[in-house]
Amino acid sequence: EPEVTQTPSHQVTQMGQEVILRCVPISNHLYFYWYRQILGQKVEFLVSFYNNEISEKSEIFDDQFSVERPDGSNFTLKIRSTKLEDSAMYFCASSGTSGRAVDEQYFGPGTRLTVT
Amino acid sequence: KNEVEQSPQNLTAQEGEFITINCSYSVGISALHWLQQHPGGGIVSLFMLSSGKKKHGRLIATINIQEKHSSLHITASHPRDSAVYICAVLRRGNQFYFGTGTSLTVIP
Repeated sequence: EPEVTQTPSHQVTQMGQEVILRCVPISNHLYFYWYRQILGQKVEFLVSFYNNEISEKSEIFDDQFSVERPDGSNFTLKIRSTKLEDSAMYFCASSGTSGRAVDEQYFGPGTRLTVT
Repeated sequence: KNEVEQSPQNLTAQEGEFITINCSYSVGISALHWLQQHPGGGIVSLFMLSSGKKKHGRLIATINIQEKHSSLHITASHPRDSAVYICAVLRRGNQFYFGTGTSLTVIP
C-alpha cells in the first residue's frame, strides 16, 4: 500500500541553524501539508501546497519557514534559523487525487526535531 | 479560544464497552476529519466527512452541520483501540484546525 515517508526520523540541531525536513508524498496525490505537534500539545496546521504553490498557511508559518517541491517527488520544509521553540514533531501529509482538497489525508510517520 | 472542542479529554473504558467521543466546532467548515494517533506518535486518518454518517468496521462517525457537532463511536471496544482520537476541521480556504484530542484507554 502506498505511504507517505519522511526523513530523517529524528533531527537534532543547534539554535540558529537551518534544517530541511523531507517528505515523499503518495505519488498521485495533489495536495501536500505540513503540521507540527509540540510535545504534549495539539497538532497544528502549518501550510498546504497545491499546484506548486502555497494554498494556505497559518500564522505560525512565518518568514522563518519555507516549503518546496523541488523535483516532483519530494516535498520539503525548511526552517531557516531554528529556535528552541521549534522543537516538535513535524508531520507531512498528502491527499487528493481528484483535485479536491477535501479528500482523506495520509500522514507520514513524522520527524522529531530537537533544537538545543 | 479553540475553534474545535473535544470531549471528554480522557476516557477509560472496559473492553467491550460502547464509546462516544464528541467534537464541536465554531467555524464554517467544508469537511471534518477524525484522526487516530498511536502512542508512538503516528497519525492515521479514520474518516473524512462533510455530512451524514460513515461506518468502517467498529467505528462510526456522524456529523450535524447545522449544530456544528460530530461524534465518533466505537462499538465493542478493544484494548488495541487505545489511542488519542483527534477531530480536525477543514475551513473553506483549506485551513485546518485541530482539537486537543481525546485520550482513550481500553482496559481488558
